Amino acid sequence: AQKITQTQPGMFVQEKEAVTLDCTYDTSDPSYGLFWYKQPSSGEMIFLIYQGSYDQQNATEGRYSLNFQKARKSANLVISASQLGDSAMYFCAMRDRGGNKLVFGAGTILRVKS
Amino acid sequence: DTAVSQTPKYLVTQMGNDKSIKCEQNLGHDTMYWYKQDSKKFLKIMFSYNNKELIINETVPNRFSPKSPDKAHLNLHINSLELGDSAVYFCASSPLGLVDYGYTFGSGTRLTVV
Repeated sequence: AQKITQTQPGMFVQEKEAVTLDCTYDTSDPSYGLFWYKQPSSGEMIFLIYQGSYDQQNATEGRYSLNFQKARKSANLVISASQLGDSAMYFCAMRDRGGNKLVFGAGTILRVKS
Repeated sequence: DTAVSQTPKYLVTQMGNDKSIKCEQNLGHDTMYWYKQDSKKFLKIMFSYNNKELIINETVPNRFSPKSPDKAHLNLHINSLELGDSAVYFCASSPLGLVDYGYTFGSGTRLTVV
């Protein structure tokens, strides 16, 4: 069965610094996708970045990058040059062929300090 | 144009009432979902429909009944509302079976049962 684990309930980061949000996953399917979503206090779910299990390179989208370590089954999100607007809940999620559903981790609350 | 729109955004109702939440997507996706986000922010899938056919039905009370009149619409009807049903309900859509495609979420419906 698919499982996503986010072990950091909350994180603080100083404005303009980088921060890493941890995510580990478990699946028996060799083909899967890993996603990160941001949920600000307004409540909407915003897609940030995607990493495929067969991708050779780590995904990047602007200030977001995904540190994908397949052997360790980890897919950590790195946010560079943090901004106050990055304060939000961040969810790691996985989709594989077997489950046909997006399974979420418990989320990490990020607070950016000025 | 909003890709996935759900209404209403807020719903306050008394215990025992019946209520519906509507969802529509204009992305041409063939699969739609209902997720529940509880007070601890945990996101859990409830139902999934593919081309009007139910394909995922997690352990959800029978009081919850999804209905999909066509592949662009997925509504959620809840009978005999209970206090524990208070949560944020998200509608989402995606193409079926593509692991490299995340979900597009609606803005959520905050249901409060009093």
